[in-house]
Amino acid sequence: EIVMTQSPATLSVSPGERATLSCRASQSISVNLAWYQQKPGQAPRLLIYGASTRATDIPARFSGSGSGTEFTLTISSLQSEDFVVYYCQQYDNWPLYTFGQGTKLESK
Amino acid sequence: EVQLLETGGGLVQPGGSLRLSCAASGFSFTKYSMSWVRQAPGKGLEWVSAISGNGDDTYYADSVKGRFTISRDNSKNTVYLQMSGLRAEDTATYYCTKDRTGYYAPIDYWGQGALVTVSS
Repeated sequence: EIVMTQSPATLSVSPGERATLSCRASQSISVNLAWYQQKPGQAPRLLIYGASTRATDIPARFSGSGSGTEFTLTISSLQSEDFVVYYCQQYDNWPLYTFGQGTKLESK
Repeated sequence: EVQLLETGGGLVQPGGSLRLSCAASGFSFTKYSMSWVRQAPGKGLEWVSAISGNGDDTYYADSVKGRFTISRDNSKNTVYLQMSGLRAEDTATYYCTKDRTGYYAPIDYWGQGALVTVSS
């Protein structure tokens, strides 16, 4: 099983600033990595796939990078609606997906 | 527009059974594998099971193997999750999902979720 580890568990950033979230895979997954955003009471929403490709209708302030085992989600100029939970997911072992444990982004 | 509508959630006693259904629309159902992903209250996401587009291949997380069965009826555009031997730790919202391209792809659509509560 590919284990995904996200850090930090909680990230405190001020509105308008930049947030950097990390995700590490227990083995190389190439760029088969996705990021999701989950708002309270809602299903997750796909933000990024292929490690760096924005999904449909995702604002340009969301960007992803990385390959192999180390990945980053960057949110520039944080808006109030961005302070929610983010998950990474590997699909290199499709369809046996595994998710990171999540990073909660909170407003400082 | 892609829609995934889960039904069948509810309260069940430990050791009991429940069947979730997911009615899909808005895409070529047989071209896509379908998965169930669950989320325990206040916790993260856990992939549970997947089934190939033609239903020939099924996959399970170790935590549910031998207790849950995934199936699909392509004539009804519906995927099912039969759950038996339910435990308290199976309490979660269960999401029906489809992947983005049908092969080596992330999930791009999620249903609204069905809450399953296992309690006496």
